[in-house]
Amino acid sequence: SQQGEEDPQALSIQEGENATMNCSYKTSINNLQWYRQNSGRGLVHLILIRSNEREKHSGRLRVTLDTSKKSSSLLITASRAADTASYFCATIDSGGSNYKLTFGKGTLLTVNP
Amino acid sequence: NAGVMQNPRHLVRRRGQEARLRCSPMKGHSHVYWYRQLPEEGLKFMVYLQKENIIDESGMPKERFSAEFPKEGPSILRIQQVVRGDSAAYFCASSPQWAVSYEQYFGPGTRLTVT
Repeated sequence: SQQGEEDPQALSIQEGENATMNCSYKTSINNLQWYRQNSGRGLVHLILIRSNEREKHSGRLRVTLDTSKKSSSLLITASRAADTASYFCATIDSGGSNYKLTFGKGTLLTVNP
Repeated sequence: NAGVMQNPRHLVRRRGQEARLRCSPMKGHSHVYWYRQLPEEGLKFMVYLQKENIIDESGMPKERFSAEFPKEGPSILRIQQVVRGDSAAYFCASSPQWAVSYEQYFGPGTRLTVT
């Protein structure tokens, strides 16, 4: 299957609730990144976590990384309707191709007002 | 500082025609990457270019697709003799030399529809 698989595929929550999305990958990585894509738009970089880091925060975002399980999670706290978007994890391998982002299929998050 | 620019934003081509997609990286960025996003899918790497050099084109289909990043002007992704399966969103990203392994800045994409 594909590197960078997110789950769930779709998530619907109420405004103010927390949203958690998970990502699994298969290779040894240099770093893992999360991106957001609003419908029909380009990607916006949210946060990067290096392979030697376990947790990182940025505003309402919290990312964890477990390299032993090859998994990461993205937590969005106190969600807003404007957070409605698709969220993708992407990895940079630790091998030779250290420029190639490998994306998962994404989680579609809907935050209902 | 303008972001990554792509044009056109939408492109409609009939089967057999050529499609040319343009990408201007952010100012000061010398590395360009092209990705393709099929409907309901994540992005897939196509090609990585530096000025006048193709570094990695392992994600490019072997036929009909080519890319360049000339010394002057934008990067061009060219698709010859388009087929329906080429319909997708094509994204360009750029990064500066020192941040190749880190964040890539994405353009808004070109949505290609082949009729």
